[in-house]
Amino acid sequence: DTAVSQTPKYLVTQMGNDKSIKCEQNLGHDTMYWYKQDSKKFLKIMFSYNNKELIINETVPNRFSPKSPDKAHLNLHINSLELGDSAVYFCASSRTTGGKTNYGYTFGSGTRLTVV
Amino acid sequence: DAKTTQPTSMDCAEGRAANLPCNHSTISGNEYVYWYRQIHSQGPQYIIHGLKNNETNEMASLIITEDRKSSTLILPHATLRDTAVYYCIVRETGGTSYGKLTFGQGTILTVHP
Repeated sequence: DTAVSQTPKYLVTQMGNDKSIKCEQNLGHDTMYWYKQDSKKFLKIMFSYNNKELIINETVPNRFSPKSPDKAHLNLHINSLELGDSAVYFCASSRTTGGKTNYGYTFGSGTRLTVV
Repeated sequence: DAKTTQPTSMDCAEGRAANLPCNHSTISGNEYVYWYRQIHSQGPQYIIHGLKNNETNEMASLIITEDRKSSTLILPHATLRDTAVYYCIVRETGGTSYGKLTFGQGTILTVHP
């Protein structure tokens, strides 16, 4: 049973297209995240949601729109894809108690997006 | 920006202990030290975290200095499968950061036979 699952694992698409990446966690966590790892291997947070509410929204182009239909799901929709969006996108989840997150995160295995 | 400094790379012989240092001289009182690792092409994996006391779990031990300005992750008996990038991260557990992990470059640990 995969704790945090992302689909698809690989995504190759043309510039200008719109695509979505889905993420689901079965850990009962209440906070979910999207991280981006670029070609230089730096991991940076994009968004976080707690109980379906957007908490963190880093400086990300508004072509990226997260959607959390429930606590177990956090999807990432990307409009008008650009070459620079090519990266590995990781979903993660964690448990938050009393407004504090002091537990380890669980990451998914990543979605490798290639824009051509 | 990451608040930690780690060596770029380290080597370790299989079966020996791997000691990975991390400096976090600007750590504040409510910030925890977290360690994650990323094995090639996989998602980061949580290893351990601590506030001021030393911690041990089935994967590793975390030694935090008394002034909390540095820490060491210890893998007691490294195996080839421990070859990975190891990230040391300090962060608050609440407030506006609300779960944000700021990753640095990490240490590339290579375990050789």
